[in-house]
Amino acid sequence: NAGVTQTPKFQVLKTGQSMTLQCAQDMNHNSMYWYRQDPGMGLRLIYYSASEGTTDKGEVPNGYNVSRLNKREFSLRLESAAPSQTSVYFCASSEEAAGRIYQPQHFGDGTRLSIL
Amino acid sequence: KQEVTQIPAALSVPEGENLVLNCSFTDSAIYNLQWFRQDPGKGLTSLLLIQSSQREQTSGRLNASLDKSSGRSTLYIAASQPGDSATYLCAVKNSNYQLIWGAGTKLIIKP
Repeated sequence: NAGVTQTPKFQVLKTGQSMTLQCAQDMNHNSMYWYRQDPGMGLRLIYYSASEGTTDKGEVPNGYNVSRLNKREFSLRLESAAPSQTSVYFCASSEEAAGRIYQPQHFGDGTRLSIL
Repeated sequence: KQEVTQIPAALSVPEGENLVLNCSFTDSAIYNLQWFRQDPGKGLTSLLLIQSSQREQTSGRLNASLDKSSGRSTLYIAASQPGDSATYLCAVKNSNYQLIWGAGTKLIIKP
């Protein structure tokens, strides 16, 4: 009954380093999302994947890349980390059903990332 | 461009009070509106989802209403408890696969 699992939970990087945030869901959801949450702001969508094999840019995609490895896994990569990417990153998944009966998104516990 | 606003940013009330959290949005063409709860250091938990054709949803002590024409939603919490302390966020879906989020209201229930 894990839901959405994110790894790692915490990470400190130096400017210019690269890393990949991992996300896996066990609910057989089609859609997966990566958000960032900054103090005093709402969540902002970085990338999403409507289904296996597809990815699309969200509101703030610059500096990030994603891979939908299979239906369960959706990873987020920072190729050259910058201090402005210091944030809490959340992965989410949902079952976007036919007929526009939308279901709520399920979230992981987040990755707290600091870029020095 | 859709914008979602939550006022107040923080609220502190004594235990047992009924309270209302507010969410407003600028574009009434939405598919649904969702209310989430976020506990410190944790992810978000969906509380209520109101489809565009609905006026309200209820779950236990929580009731969420939606008035698309005025661009407003409220989350009503009855008989508040210290365990209700958390940040409450609302989000609207007005395009495929994308939610637009408010910044949240931090709620503190004093014992």
